[in-house]
Amino acid sequence: AQSVTQLDSQVPVFEEAPVELRCNYSSSVSVYLFWYVQYPNQGLQLLLKYLSGSTLVKGINGFEAEFNKSQTSFHLRKPSVHISDTAEYFCAVSEPQGAQKLVFGQGTRLTINP
Amino acid sequence: GAVVSQHPSWVICKSGTSVKIECRSLDFQATTMFWYRQFPKQSLMLMATSNEGSKATYEQGVEKDKFLINHASLTLSTLTVTSAHPEDSSFYICSAGDRGYGYTFGSGTRLTVV
Repeated sequence: AQSVTQLDSQVPVFEEAPVELRCNYSSSVSVYLFWYVQYPNQGLQLLLKYLSGSTLVKGINGFEAEFNKSQTSFHLRKPSVHISDTAEYFCAVSEPQGAQKLVFGQGTRLTINP
Repeated sequence: GAVVSQHPSWVICKSGTSVKIECRSLDFQATTMFWYRQFPKQSLMLMATSNEGSKATYEQGVEKDKFLINHASLTLSTLTVTSAHPEDSSFYICSAGDRGYGYTFGSGTRLTVV
């Protein structure tokens, strides 16, 4: 069975500072990895995904993540955050096939302070 | 890009009545759709996997007779909460597997049972 652990439930950061949201996964098989963002009372928007190939994945809104197989991690980073980045962020994993169910982490609340 | 439309965005119903939530893939065919439930400040919990033309697969602990799922076409899946009670109040989100081995989410439905 797969599982995802997001190590920080809340991360407060000042505007224009860098941020890293941590995600570790557990799986007996290879995986696809995803980061989603959720704004209040809305669905989830895909930030980026790792399927295969380069371990550094660039996504939307200036976010990037690095897949580290040996550490089973997929941490999300942004070099300079904005107030508009305040949201809930979810890391998720699926089996490496099309249309498989996603297993989500607990979420990290990112709060950007002016 | 892939778009999933979920309707209604919010609904209030009386205890004992049934509520239907629709999830449509607008610009792609979705053989598989997923239904999630999200409690306040928590992660998404998969309720069931819906496959076009066949019975849905429910996760352990989810009452299939209470949460009826129908996936009659490649673009439409519906979730009906039957005989709703206040404890069924929650945020329900659907998603569909898209062409790029990703998952597109609907905007969610806030259900309040009074």
